[in-house]
Amino acid sequence: AQTVTQSQPEMSVQEAETVTLSCTYDTSESNYYLFWYKQPPSRQMILVIRQEAYKQQNATENRFSVNFQKAAKSFSLKISDSQLGDTAMYFCAFGNAGNMLTFGGGTRLMVKP
Amino acid sequence: DTAVSQTPKYLVTQMGNDKSIKCEQNLGHDTMYWYKQDSKKFLKIMFSYNNKELIINETVPNRFSPKSPDKAHLNLHINSLELGDSAVYFCASSQVWTGGHTEAFFGQGTRLTVV
Repeated sequence: AQTVTQSQPEMSVQEAETVTLSCTYDTSESNYYLFWYKQPPSRQMILVIRQEAYKQQNATENRFSVNFQKAAKSFSLKISDSQLGDTAMYFCAFGNAGNMLTFGGGTRLMVKP
Repeated sequence: DTAVSQTPKYLVTQMGNDKSIKCEQNLGHDTMYWYKQDSKKFLKIMFSYNNKELIINETVPNRFSPKSPDKAHLNLHINSLELGDSAVYFCASSQVWTGGHTEAFFGQGTRLTVV
């Protein structure tokens, strides 16, 4: 079974600054995917970024990028130029071959003006 | 033009009742899921289903059952509701391809309150 750990229950950042959210996971599988999902107060789950484990290059999506360290089983999310709309819960998730996701406990991010 | 839609968005019901939550996806995906998010925001997979296979998380009580009338729908039936069933339930879907699965697309969630 997989486990996903997010060690930061809450974080805050000033608007326009950069913040990094941490995630570690444990698995014995070799073929898997990692995701960051955002859940704003509307409770909709929104995909932020996706990383395939076989890819060495870190994924980027506009202001969002990841630092994927496969040997260390670490998958952190960096948000650059933080915006007020980034305020949300962020969930790290592990996806196996069947794409059944195992989620971390979440990090509540507050972007302050 | 919602990709994954759930109804109802809110459901309040009494202990002991039986209820259903409906889910429909218009993405043409072949796999659908149900997740439960508890009051502490923990998200946990309940079921994974495609036209070939149902995978049940072993921790899910058998009072919960998924029903799929067709590939685009996966409804969640809950019998004999208990207070502890109060949570937000999310439906999701994804598609298998040669490279694996697409990412999961989620519905907007159904907040179930058992009183």
